[in-house]
Amino acid sequence: GAVVSQHPSRVICKSGTSVKIECRSLDFQATTMFWYRQFPKQSLMLMATSNEGSKATYEQGVEKDKFLINHASLTLSTLTVTSAHPEDSSFYICSASDRNYGYTFGSGTRLTVV
Amino acid sequence: DAKTTQPPSMDCAEGRAANLPCNHSTISGNEYVYWYRQIHSQGPQYIIHGLKNNETNEMASLIITEDRKSSTLILPHATLRDTAVYYCIVRVGPRNAGNMLTFGGGTRLMVKP
Repeated sequence: GAVVSQHPSRVICKSGTSVKIECRSLDFQATTMFWYRQFPKQSLMLMATSNEGSKATYEQGVEKDKFLINHASLTLSTLTVTSAHPEDSSFYICSASDRNYGYTFGSGTRLTVV
Repeated sequence: DAKTTQPPSMDCAEGRAANLPCNHSTISGNEYVYWYRQIHSQGPQYIIHGLKNNETNEMASLIITEDRKSSTLILPHATLRDTAVYYCIVRVGPRNAGNMLTFGGGTRLMVKP
């Protein structure tokens, strides 16, 4: 079946620094990838849609200059949280989409900003 | 995408069947019913999906009413490892890979010994 690898699984960073999260589709090509954020005891909230070779589409209220998304190949999308603040601490999850496999989710990244 | 309504929480005894309901009264003719679950601190896991016929796989069964306005996910013999949040999502079919999944509140299933 389809596998999506997300790395790192956990990261702790200092306020003001940037953190990059990678999302890879291991055995299929993902024309579209999605980035979600999840706060404790809440549901997943879509942050942005990433299409290979084009600019990401951000949901309302998500700052594109703070959450940089790059989808340079059909198997890799990255989310960079720039100038991280404690309120950015959350669980970030990527999903890769393919016409044959549908949606497959990564295992998530727990970001803690101190 | 059609909105779904699920009970916020349910309990189930280990070894018994877990029946998780979902209402989707505004579902359109071309929209499928998808079920995912999320175990604590993990990404969502696909369980099953269907259009109008009942579906069964190695994980669960999906029963969709004839009018398609509601469905039930059945875990036939729940185990402690089935404790998770279960999300019912309605959207256009799997071939439309460009559209995102929209998650509601889901049902928090607690399987108890």
